[in-house]
Amino acid sequence: SQQGEEDPQALSIQEGENATMNCSYKTSINNLQWYRQNSGRGLVHLILIRSNEREKHSGRLRVTLDTSKKSSSLLITASRAADTASYFCATDGSGGGADGLTFGKGTHLIIQP
Amino acid sequence: GAGVSQSPSNKVTEKGKDVELRCDPISGHTALYWYRQSLGQGLEFLIYFQGNSAPDKSGLPSDRFSAERTGGSVSTLTIQRTQQEDSAVYLCASNSGGAAGELFFGEGSRLTVL
Repeated sequence: SQQGEEDPQALSIQEGENATMNCSYKTSINNLQWYRQNSGRGLVHLILIRSNEREKHSGRLRVTLDTSKKSSSLLITASRAADTASYFCATDGSGGGADGLTFGKGTHLIIQP
Repeated sequence: GAGVSQSPSNKVTEKGKDVELRCDPISGHTALYWYRQSLGQGLEFLIYFQGNSAPDKSGLPSDRFSAERTGGSVSTLTIQRTQQEDSAVYLCASNSGGAAGELFFGEGSRLTVL
């Protein structure tokens, strides 16, 4: 079953604007990760936030985590056409490594030049 | 190699045939994962190896699916008697610390069953 669920499913914005994607999950986690996938490619890790962290930054990326609401958000500031991709949140399962990371269905982000 | 390598990158097969998909993880990574991604969907966990052993095979969709890993390195995912619903991209990932850490993904093997 899907642990993480992203919304919106698709997002189209103008270059230069900020893009915000949300992720909700159902069970307790140790950490939450965000990945990016360009069309026809594998996934690339963007950022990991631990359950005891509330906010984390990496370049133009800002991730927040609210464990009380079981939700996370990914903000991409000053978007560029090259940011066009699908973005997935992933959580570690209650079984630890044995059941891998659980991914949502992703948000497809389109940056209009 | 520098990254996770998967082969073939594309495979077209006829219904009922067997296929083998290969994953060569990053050297030294003890954990290896297989995921399946259907068109426009998220990733479905299939199986996880720690070293050569697979603690949990319950993610495999049916008994037509099997996977092995030898020498703590290369892994093969085998699908027997392929069905059209097996068409998907099969992604392999590895890391050194289990699911608590970042996964490094290959480019995937796109399987099309006619």
